[in-house]
Amino acid sequence: GAVVSQHPSWVICKSGTSVKIECRSLDFQATTMFWYRQFPKQSLMLMATSNEGSKATYEQGVEKDKFLINHASLTLSTLTVTSAHPEDSSFYICSARDPGVGTYNEQFFGPGTRLTVL
Amino acid sequence: AQKITQTQPGMFVQEKEAVTLDCTYDTSDPSYGLFWYKQPSSGEMIFLIYQGSYDQQNATEGRYSLNFQKARKSANLVISASQLGDSAMYFCAIGGNTGKLIFGQGTTLQVKP
Repeated sequence: GAVVSQHPSWVICKSGTSVKIECRSLDFQATTMFWYRQFPKQSLMLMATSNEGSKATYEQGVEKDKFLINHASLTLSTLTVTSAHPEDSSFYICSARDPGVGTYNEQFFGPGTRLTVL
Repeated sequence: AQKITQTQPGMFVQEKEAVTLDCTYDTSDPSYGLFWYKQPSSGEMIFLIYQGSYDQQNATEGRYSLNFQKARKSANLVISASQLGDSAMYFCAIGGNTGKLIFGQGTTLQVKP
């Protein structure tokens, strides 16, 4: 149980285009989803917290107009990288959480999406 | 604010030996949780072990144990009987009431045959 999927697993796009990444909780309802960004050999940096039915809360330094987050249902959150540029190339990971799910109320992570912007 | 520090960028261990990965933290929250995750080269985050701030005993999960020293604000991960498949990046993380996780810099572990 507590499986989170991400789609696509990898994407290559041209500079200036927008890319949408989906995060789904497959067997539980996630009231909260989180989006992280990870550069090679570095830590996961929290970008934003996404609550179903409300606006996402962005971490300091993250451009909300650049990284659009929508948490339209209890099982789906999307991250759209708008007007992507090469510096947006990174590994994007989502996680999902719901009180009472999991032994330690922990976050369950998706497999990640590798974005390459040419 | 919460902060996690992992001071070992890379570690080597001989197969079948034990290894300790260091983690120190700082938080003003009275209640918090400490997590360890494993990230193999595939990128997936694999949950290993959890320690609650009020837990009296150190957490254990199979070959993983957490050496929790609250006064020192440390939560070191001990992997016993290392296996080649343990080679990966390991992250320590702290979480509070908001549910957010703050991750450390990570430690790359290589198990030598």
